[in-house]
Amino acid sequence: DAKTTQPTSMDCAEGRAANLPCNHSTISGNEYVYWYRQIHSQGPQYIIHGLKNNETNEMASLIITEDRKSSTLILPHATLRDTAVYYCIVRVARNNDMRFGAGTRLTVKP
Amino acid sequence: GAGVSQSPSNKVTEKGKDVELRCDPISGHTALYWYRQSLGQGLEFLIYFQGNSAPDKSGLPSDRFSAERTGGSVSTLTIQRTQQEDSAVYLCASSRTVNYNSPLHFGNGTRLTVT
Repeated sequence: DAKTTQPTSMDCAEGRAANLPCNHSTISGNEYVYWYRQIHSQGPQYIIHGLKNNETNEMASLIITEDRKSSTLILPHATLRDTAVYYCIVRVARNNDMRFGAGTRLTVKP
Repeated sequence: GAGVSQSPSNKVTEKGKDVELRCDPISGHTALYWYRQSLGQGLEFLIYFQGNSAPDKSGLPSDRFSAERTGGSVSTLTIQRTQQEDSAVYLCASSRTVNYNSPLHFGNGTRLTVT
């Protein structure tokens, strides 16, 4: 199974871009990269996903390297409400579940 | 639109009692998943339903756990003879299809406390 590696924690100043890295060096060609976040006492919130191309939506941008071995989630203008645990997940084609790791605890500071 | 709804939001039960947790998925979503999250831990997959197919029960931790999905919509997770180690947040998610390009959308969970 493709495993992801993320930093345990990161800080970001309010109003600045938050760049959250993820390594997935064993990813297979048909496996998607998903990003979720979880704020205390809530269920995980879907952010964005992609296969090969960079993706952007109203929440964030996802940059996937050409070799697909790593990706970066970008929150362009972080706010205090973006403080959460961010999970990078490779969705394994033969399983029906999403394997959540430990994630990155992002703290946005005033 | 309405998201995934779970009830109750909190449940306290005595050891040995049975509990039922309910999940209302997003309308039109054919796939439904149950996960649990113990305090400070990651998400643990429990079971998955897709349409009328047999569910994938590979994540259920013991035969005390079961789930059903009636009419392809609402799902109930049942835990029999609860134990203290069953205390966790039980999360339900749904997705439009089983396609790996179809995101899961989670509810806010049921916090189960077994005393």
